[in-house]
Amino acid sequence: QQQVKQSPQSLIVQKGGISIINCAYENTAFDYFPWYQQFPGKGPALLIAIRPDVSEKKEGRFTISFNKSAKQFSLHIMDSQPGDSATYFCAASSQGYQKVTFGIGTKLQVIP
Amino acid sequence: EAEVAQSPRYKITEKSQAVAFWCDPISGHATLYWYRQILGQGPELLVQFQDESVVDDSQLPKDRFSAERLKGVDSTLKIQPAELGDSAMYLCASSLGEKETQYFGPGTRLLVL
Repeated sequence: QQQVKQSPQSLIVQKGGISIINCAYENTAFDYFPWYQQFPGKGPALLIAIRPDVSEKKEGRFTISFNKSAKQFSLHIMDSQPGDSATYFCAASSQGYQKVTFGIGTKLQVIP
Repeated sequence: EAEVAQSPRYKITEKSQAVAFWCDPISGHATLYWYRQILGQGPELLVQFQDESVVDDSQLPKDRFSAERLKGVDSTLKIQPAELGDSAMYLCASSLGEKETQYFGPGTRLLVL
């Protein structure tokens, strides 16, 4: 059973555009929602994370929006750049247990 | 900047052979994780260590997989015998503690023929 559902699986965005990746979760015990960025041949790297006590978190061009009632969260990449081309994973965990459940991943390609 | 080290980076083996992967976490990180990432999917936790103790190996296929972290520092993940379905990227991650950010190594890509 996929506890964190991520879409789309692939995304092509023009340079300067907004990239949007969506995730939904089922386990209401989840209370920590990180996003990871993975380049080919590299391990995932933490990009940004949010806890459900806030509805939005922004770091530079990256913003997480969180909707607790809908059990959904999304990553927005503003002014997308070719260097942002990577696979992005949403994830979730509960504070009582640090096991991180990952989504299936979204392969983002930003074209010039 | 400190990084998680893994070796080898690539491994090709034949089915029924034994393989072993090594991970050296960031210095001072008490928690160490092994994940398996099948192509096109997200990482799945295989085993989690707190110092030298296993705290979660519920998803580890114990009939063929084993993991150890004898001195609570570096760790080895072994597969014996390897099967075709084991072809994947094996990622190691570490964190200061159980509730801290996980930092991933570059992974070992395994191909079983």
